[in-house]
Amino acid sequence: EIVMTQSPATLSLSPGERATLSCRASQSVRNNLAWYQQKNGQAPRLLISGASTRATGIPDRFSGTGAGTEFTLTISSLQSDDFAVYYCQQYNKWPQITFGQGTRLEIK
Amino acid sequence: QVQLQESGPGLVKPSETLSLTCSVSYYSITSDYYWAWIRQPPGKGLEWLGSVYQTGSTYYNPSLQSRVSMSIDTSRDQFSLYLSSVTAADTAVYYCAPHYDFWTGSYFEHWGQGILVTVSS
Repeated sequence: EIVMTQSPATLSLSPGERATLSCRASQSVRNNLAWYQQKNGQAPRLLISGASTRATGIPDRFSGTGAGTEFTLTISSLQSDDFAVYYCQQYNKWPQITFGQGTRLEIK
Repeated sequence: QVQLQESGPGLVKPSETLSLTCSVSYYSITSDYYWAWIRQPPGKGLEWLGSVYQTGSTYYNPSLQSRVSMSIDTSRDQFSLYLSSVTAADTAVYYCAPHYDFWTGSYFEHWGQGILVTVSS
């Protein structure tokens, strides 16, 4: 099983600041990585697929980078609506799909 | 765009079988998608349970393979999840979601709203 490890578990920042979230895979997943945002009581929302391709309607302040085992989700200037939990997911090893444990982005 | 709606009992007794159905609207279940179940225990992360294709082929999370099964009813645009011998650890919000194959990308762009299933006597 490919284990996805996200860091930090919690990130406390202020609106307007830059957020950097990390996701590490236990083995290479090439660029087969997605990022999701989840708010309380809602289903996850796809932000990024293919490690760096924004999903439809996702603002350009969200960007994804990385390949292999190290990935980063960057939010360039935090808005109040961005405070949520973020998950990464690998889909390189079908039929195994695994998620990271999540990073909670909270208002400082 | 595709819409999904989970349905089923919100309360299941320990040792029984959890059964959920996902109804698909505004999209053909015989399209290119695979149809997946994902769960999320309260306050915890996401876990892929498995996927079913229009042909009936199934792919399960190895950690649950002995207890999970899925089926698809193309005539009703529905697919189902069955999880046997449930315990309190199976209490979770269960989501259904489609995804493409490995070559296109097995990520989840559309999600159902989720259904909370509690395992308790």
